[in-house]
Amino acid sequence: QKEVEQDPGPLSVPEGAIVSLNCTYSNSAFQYFMWYRQYSRKGPELLMYTYSSGNKEDGRFTAQVDKSSKYISLFIRDSQPSDSATYLCACGYAGNMLTFGGGTRLMVKP
Amino acid sequence: EAGVVQSPRYKIIEKKQPVAFWCNPISGHNTLYWYLQNLGQGPELLIRYENEEAVDDSQLPKDRFSAERLKGVDSTLKIQPAELGDSAVYLCASSSGSEQYFGPGTRLTVT
Repeated sequence: QKEVEQDPGPLSVPEGAIVSLNCTYSNSAFQYFMWYRQYSRKGPELLMYTYSSGNKEDGRFTAQVDKSSKYISLFIRDSQPSDSATYLCACGYAGNMLTFGGGTRLMVKP
Repeated sequence: EAGVVQSPRYKIIEKKQPVAFWCNPISGHNTLYWYLQNLGQGPELLIRYENEEAVDDSQLPKDRFSAERLKGVDSTLKIQPAELGDSAVYLCASSSGSEQYFGPGTRLTVT
């Protein structure tokens, strides 16, 4: 079993929908959590960074962490076709080490 | 501010040939990472540098892979000899803290 798990998708939604992307993790030592967006043939781009349980909002994006359940989520409001990409969650601990999930492919249809 | 620069972007080689990838991190970032990303999977760490010191290379296949970061700035990752299974995207990232910033990657195809 991998330390960080994501449903690979693809997840297909209509434009304007609210998208929910999720990850589970097994290592209680993880202290901080990140979401990256990766377009085809591009490198991962850092979207959100959270350190504690709770919500963090940035524009149309909300990251949610529940350490008691070892569950992290990324919500995208008013989704746009330009949001179509693979979303990677990453969990980190001391020493600036990150463990990535396998990514969820999102398709937002006009 | 310039991001992480990698070259080449694409490389096609025959098996058993050597290949090298180059990375220039974001200015001021002391930590540099090399990751491997297979199709449909997340990045997996190969090696991490703090300045010029390799502090975590446990996942680097040392029989064929080598890396260096002279002067603690740019870095080179080498494979010799390449095998068919090495076909993947090689990503470089850098950080000055917990947040890692990635380059565009080098897509390697071994035929």
